[in-house]
Amino acid sequence: AQSVAQPEDQVNVAEGNPLTVKCTYSVSGNPYLFWYVQYPNRGLQFLLKYITGDNLVKGSYGFEAEFNKSQTSFHLKKPSALVSDSALYFCAVRDIANSGYALNFGKGTSLLVTP
Amino acid sequence: NAGVMQNPRHLVRRRGQEARLRCSPMKGHSHVYWYRQLPEEGLKFMVYLQKENIIDESGMPKERFSAEFPKEGPSILRIQQVVRGDSAAYFCASSPTGRDNQPQHFGDGTRLSIL
Repeated sequence: AQSVAQPEDQVNVAEGNPLTVKCTYSVSGNPYLFWYVQYPNRGLQFLLKYITGDNLVKGSYGFEAEFNKSQTSFHLKKPSALVSDSALYFCAVRDIANSGYALNFGKGTSLLVTP
Repeated sequence: NAGVMQNPRHLVRRRGQEARLRCSPMKGHSHVYWYRQLPEEGLKFMVYLQKENIIDESGMPKERFSAEFPKEGPSILRIQQVVRGDSAAYFCASSPTGRDNQPQHFGDGTRLSIL
């Protein structure tokens, strides 16, 4: 079985400060990990993915994520938050050992960046 | 370069009616996925299709729901005899192939409301 946990329903950060949105996963094999962002009344936009290689992955809009196999985590980070980063963020995993076609999503974390 | 197109954006049906949701994948994409998002929850996988084939329907309810992706035209998610619990946002995603390491690209969704 595979699962994704986003332990925080909401993260608040002041503009210009660094932000972290947490994600942990549980899969039986090696994971493929993804982060998506959702703005109100819109679909999900792909931010970045970890497949293999460097543990630090850089993505769109200045976001990056660090894969930590020992802690089974894939936290999303940005050095300096913008008000326009306020949105809903989803972590997702694919369990390649079980040939899963579906993305298994966490419940999402609402990010609020205040001016 | 149009993205994934879903229509209608909003659909209102009365209990017992049929709902048809359409999805045109990105140009060059032949793999389509349908997800459902209930309020305050993440996306849940429903079905994965290639042209003229259902590959994985493990997330589809056993009754009233069906999906197709014909050789010509959009993918259709069909819900017969809708009930209040079917109210949700339905998202379609596409990818050029079914390889695990590729991100899925999402449409803006169809918001289905059941009166």
